Amino acid sequence: QLHLQESGPGLVKPSETLSLTCSVSGGSVRSTSYFWGWVRQPPGKALEWIGSISHIDSPYYNPSFNSRVTISRDASKNQFSLQLTSVTAADTALYYCASLPSGYVDHWGQGILVSVSS
Amino acid sequence: EIVMTQSPVTLSVSPGESATLSCRANQSIATNLAWYQQKRGQPPRLLIYGASTRATDIPARFTGSGSGTDFTLTISSLQSEDFAVYYCQQYNNWLQRTFGQGTKVEV
Repeated sequence: QLHLQESGPGLVKPSETLSLTCSVSGGSVRSTSYFWGWVRQPPGKALEWIGSISHIDSPYYNPSFNSRVTISRDASKNQFSLQLTSVTAADTALYYCASLPSGYVDHWGQGILVSVSS
Repeated sequence: EIVMTQSPVTLSVSPGESATLSCRANQSIATNLAWYQQKRGQPPRLLIYGASTRATDIPARFTGSGSGTDFTLTISSLQSEDFAVYYCQQYNNWLQRTFGQGTKVEV
């Protein structure tokens, strides 16, 4: 059974870079059966797709993020990461990491709340 | 951009009754649709993928149907643990997978 766990700072200053890591257990980020992705949810609002990466490090990003997002994979640590640059208060959200056997999510992390504030 | 519209926003149902949730896409997505359930303070849980295939360990009272632009999630004989927010998500466009705004199922 896959288990995903997000980690990273819970507070980021405006204009800085948000960096989160997802640690994977019960499976491998080298797996050809999965993509690895990020979804966020502003407080009280709906889910928003951020992007995903494949086992060959081919990324798919939501164009709405205007090239601010980078998702990378570290197979040696069995982790994958999210970087979001030039954050504003609108980026305050619960960030989930996720595993995707196809275009949908079958396993979710518990989520990490990131607030953007000075 | 593929926009997913869910209706109703809130659905009031009594335990034991059935609930029908709708999800509409603004262009055809074939059967590339998933449904998720989210309870307060928890991550979403996958219920349905491929528009109609139940995920592992999902009870048979959850039924997904539809193709193209119109999709339905039916929950028969609602249990207390089914009161939650439900989201649909399209994955026909892998660059911009999108979620609906959610339907809250309440007593």
